[in-house]
Amino acid sequence: NAGVTQTPKFRVLKTGQSMTLLCAQDMNHEYMYWYRQDPGMGLRLIHYSVGEGTTAKGEVPDGYNVSRLKKQNFLLGLESAAPSQTSVYFCASGRSDTQYFGPGTRLTVL
Amino acid sequence: QKEVEQDPGPLSVPEGAIVSLNCTYSNSAFQYFMWYRQYSRKGPELLMYTYSSGNKEDGRFTAQVDKSSKYISLFIRDSQPSDSATYLCAGGDSWGKLQFGAGTQVVVTP
Repeated sequence: NAGVTQTPKFRVLKTGQSMTLLCAQDMNHEYMYWYRQDPGMGLRLIHYSVGEGTTAKGEVPDGYNVSRLKKQNFLLGLESAAPSQTSVYFCASGRSDTQYFGPGTRLTVL
Repeated sequence: QKEVEQDPGPLSVPEGAIVSLNCTYSNSAFQYFMWYRQYSRKGPELLMYTYSSGNKEDGRFTAQVDKSSKYISLFIRDSQPSDSATYLCAGGDSWGKLQFGAGTQVVVTP
């Protein structure tokens, strides 16, 4: 069992570029989540999904889009990256009462 | 104001001491509470979760929730240098949307 995996591990973008972060889980979890972690701010929820084909906004959704076409995958997209989106992005999967996190993606937007 | 408040530390203790970590929260809709451990440049690792007021024990770890005062605690007995990490508390609703504290950095010195 790989658990929760994230691709890529690191990325540097220029302002205005787009990219997609991929999260995959092999635990057959219904619920999946995208968070960002910034110094002093803790983890903040961007978007989440409670099942294949469903998505919903979290606390800080602006500038991001998501898709859950397959149960095991949850994609986070940045259409036009901004320096304020420089952060560490974590994906999680689980039930409503327990979540297991991936190793993170470090994104820098110049 | 953040819905979950946590002292960022650092909290330094000698090996073998009890580590005491605390959070306060303001959202009465939280149905359960979690503690995560995060090593530097790694993803958060779920330590414990609990639904109700009272204590829950797992090995050297004890989680405590007091819903009347909106206070959650984590105690680590017989602390080891390997316990040096950042500890995150979180409250969650029925959809698994978590609100995290900013995290407390713990340093256990040999």
